[in-house]
Amino acid sequence: KAGVTQTPRYLIKTRGQQVTLSCSPISGHRSVSWYQQTPGQGLQFLFEYFSETQRNKGNFPGRFSGRQFSNSRSEMNVSTLELGDSALYLCASSSVAGVSTDTQYFGPGTRLTVL
Amino acid sequence: SQQGEEDPQALSIQEGENATMNCSYKTSINNLQWYRQNSGRGLVHLILIRSNEREKHSGRLRVTLDTSKKSSSLLITASRAADTASYFCATDAMGGSYIPTFGRGTSLIVHP
Repeated sequence: KAGVTQTPRYLIKTRGQQVTLSCSPISGHRSVSWYQQTPGQGLQFLFEYFSETQRNKGNFPGRFSGRQFSNSRSEMNVSTLELGDSALYLCASSSVAGVSTDTQYFGPGTRLTVL
Repeated sequence: SQQGEEDPQALSIQEGENATMNCSYKTSINNLQWYRQNSGRGLVHLILIRSNEREKHSGRLRVTLDTSKKSSSLLITASRAADTASYFCATDAMGGSYIPTFGRGTSLIVHP
């Protein structure tokens, strides 16, 4: 099976812009989760989607949003970008809901740089 | 604040030696997971250990969990240069909404 894919792999934006990141889970997986990784804050959970519904949400402002489509592909959107949004954004998929209860498979990440 | 905290922050060993990393957490958990991350890339799931388990093995990996001390350890035996990576533990608080909390990781360097 193909692994989790994320597009684009690298992105450069300027403050105030918005960005959309995409994640395609492993075939058959219905749960997709998003994480932000920065040197300062480490790895932080953003949200989890299962069957097009947001199940859990981390402690991030409303500028961070996501959605999941019927084919389980997911997008994450960040509006009004700030310098602090520069990070590696990781997507993970699993076959069941509940990110802590099953093995998650991570994609390679999207490196976002905000100038 | 971080729920899981790994110790040490960095570890440098020679090939063939064993590497031990520890993870401490604050509140009671449902599960604890260990992940590996090669430089700037996605995470690879290593082991999930449930709160009612005390030890699990997977190949050269051995994970222990001591819920009374709120700590876990990851042992990599007979390390290889390819084990060079950052290792993270992730926990979810019991009674919570299964939101995983990651520590800052242990950076392991295995010298050939």
